[in-house]
Amino acid sequence: SQQGEEDPQALSIQEGENATMNCSYKTSINNLQWYRQNSGRGLVHLILIRSNEREKHSGRLRVTLDTSKKSSSLLITASRAADTASYFCACFGNEKLTFGTGTRLTIIP
Amino acid sequence: EAEVAQSPRYKITEKSQAVAFWCDPISGHATLYWYRQILGQGPELLVQFQDESVVDDSQLPKDRFSAERLKGVDSTLKIQPAELGDSAMYLCASSFRLPTQETQYFGPGTRLLVL
Repeated sequence: SQQGEEDPQALSIQEGENATMNCSYKTSINNLQWYRQNSGRGLVHLILIRSNEREKHSGRLRVTLDTSKKSSSLLITASRAADTASYFCACFGNEKLTFGTGTRLTIIP
Repeated sequence: EAEVAQSPRYKITEKSQAVAFWCDPISGHATLYWYRQILGQGPELLVQFQDESVVDDSQLPKDRFSAERLKGVDSTLKIQPAELGDSAMYLCASSFRLPTQETQYFGPGTRLLVL
């Protein structure tokens, strides 16, 4: 079963704009991770935020975590055509990584 | 950069036939995972190995699916007999050890179509 639900399911923006994706989850976690998947390919790890952290940055990525609301967000700034992909949050808890349903991001050149 | 290898990349088979997928994790990674990803959904864990031992196979349909990692390195996932509902992407991933805080590294996947 999917641990996380992502919102929106699909997002289309113009190149250069910022993209925000949200993830809500159900049970307690040790950490939350975000992965990217290009069409028909494997997943690539983007960033990990631990349960005692509230915000983390990596390049053009910014992740926030609110454990009281059981939610996380991924912000991609200054989007590029190459950012077109599906983005999944993944919750780590009980020694298991459980993926959300994903957000399909399309960057329009 | 080291990568997880999977083969074949694509497989088309008929219902009731047997299929097998192979995965070679990143060298030194003790933990290996097999996931199934249905189109439009996130990956779901089928089985997790720590070295050659199964750690979690609670979501593996054991009546038709089997997985092994005999020498604790590469792994094979088998489906026999295949059913139409098995059409999906099968992803292999590896990590250094039980994923207390670790990220997982994914292979390119095997896309299975059952006719």
